[in-house]
Amino acid sequence: DSGVTQTPKHLITATGQRVTLRCSPRSGDLSVYWYQQSLDQGLQFLIQYYNGEERAKGNILERFSAQQFPDLHSELNLSSLELGDSALYFCASSPFGGGNYGYTFGSGTRLTVV
Amino acid sequence: GQNIDQPTEMTATEGAIVQINCTYQTSGFNGLFWYQQHAGEAPTFLSYNVLDGLEEKGRFSSFLSRSKGYSYLLLKELQMKDSASYLCAVWTGFQKLVFGTGTRLLVSP
Repeated sequence: DSGVTQTPKHLITATGQRVTLRCSPRSGDLSVYWYQQSLDQGLQFLIQYYNGEERAKGNILERFSAQQFPDLHSELNLSSLELGDSALYFCASSPFGGGNYGYTFGSGTRLTVV
Repeated sequence: GQNIDQPTEMTATEGAIVQINCTYQTSGFNGLFWYQQHAGEAPTFLSYNVLDGLEEKGRFSSFLSRSKGYSYLLLKELQMKDSASYLCAVWTGFQKLVFGTGTRLLVSP
């Protein structure tokens, strides 16, 4: 157990629907990062939050949004889902300033859009 | 911009030694990480280099040359369970970790 908790582990939904993925960072970590990994693809950075505020944006579609709450958990909202959104979505967290373990990853949410 | 290059795929035999290279050109450098990722699972931390030289940890070693923008991960006494993707990642600044696309290693009997 890495200490980063992601729910749900698996999600199957239809095109056009909206889903919410949840992440609880490791205790003490202020930063949360969301990544998308499609089949045979590398980790694509989506968005970063630090202590409740958006810090950096990557290749995140306008149909996707995220937020980090006062208790530091984060949610990634995916709407108007398309078949191509099927992927593994990872959340990672890190302490203030980084640290020499980089990011700690959750076990991911596997999203299947049918 | 940020550019991190790794070979896409490598194959090796059980018991052998394999070296996975990574070259990087990034705006900022505060350290380099190697992660292991088995298919469908989360990346897990393997090593961290911030100074030039070799860091050894059991069967795994990682080397860094900052002047050359180069690192490698050395895996010895390969086992079947080492079949996985290996991700090189550069810590470029405040909490910003940039990943390469990963090297898929296949270990055969």
